[in-house]
Amino acid sequence: DTGVSQNPRHKITKRGQNVTFRCDPISEHNRLYWYRQTLGQGPEFLTYFQNEAQLEKSRLLSDRFSAERPKGSFSTLEIQRTEQGDSAMYLCASSLGGTLIYNEQFFGPGTRLTVL
Amino acid sequence: TQLLEQSPQFLSIQEGENLTVYCNSSSVFSSLQWYRQEPGEGPVLLVTVVTGGEVKKLKRLTFQFGDARKDSSLHITAAQPGDTGLYLCAGGESGGSNYKLTFGKGTLLTVNP
Repeated sequence: DTGVSQNPRHKITKRGQNVTFRCDPISEHNRLYWYRQTLGQGPEFLTYFQNEAQLEKSRLLSDRFSAERPKGSFSTLEIQRTEQGDSAMYLCASSLGGTLIYNEQFFGPGTRLTVL
Repeated sequence: TQLLEQSPQFLSIQEGENLTVYCNSSSVFSSLQWYRQEPGEGPVLLVTVVTGGEVKKLKRLTFQFGDARKDSSLHITAAQPGDTGLYLCAGGESGGSNYKLTFGKGTLLTVNP
């Protein structure tokens, strides 16, 4: 039983560099989410895909951030010109779609980003 | 913006004690999920409650959803060191936004042997 996987688990970069993270969701899940979590906070919603369509982006997702899910399977989150304030845990989650009145999201282990 | 307040923020107890953590909001949620997160890892789903007044039990953990679906509690009986972690509640919006989860800041529980 494979869950959500994320790579890399840790990334250290210098300010101004670009970074890209990958998320592989649970195979039958058509919904995919990205969250950001900083110390002492719960996860904060960044963006949401249903299949390959990006249906919502949070105000937290500045124009330096871009996310894709080209074939409706894995997703990438790219941060351009990283800033120290981007240091956080980036979490990916997936869930089944359809007409459920609620959806249970299953999280990956996260990518810890440190910007020096 | 829907907000979830969790209390207490920190809790340190001895093995064998009972505890309750709370998750409160002024907003109504279609569902409420509880997660446990360990340092450096992603949150792990423990339970989902969807009906006002619903009670679910998971071994020594008891989850309750408030009658008005605005609040929830998690009670742990005879806590063990393995229960140590960050407990997060997350509320699901209703209707077309049911994909959205709003998280509280969490309760950091430490169970000392």
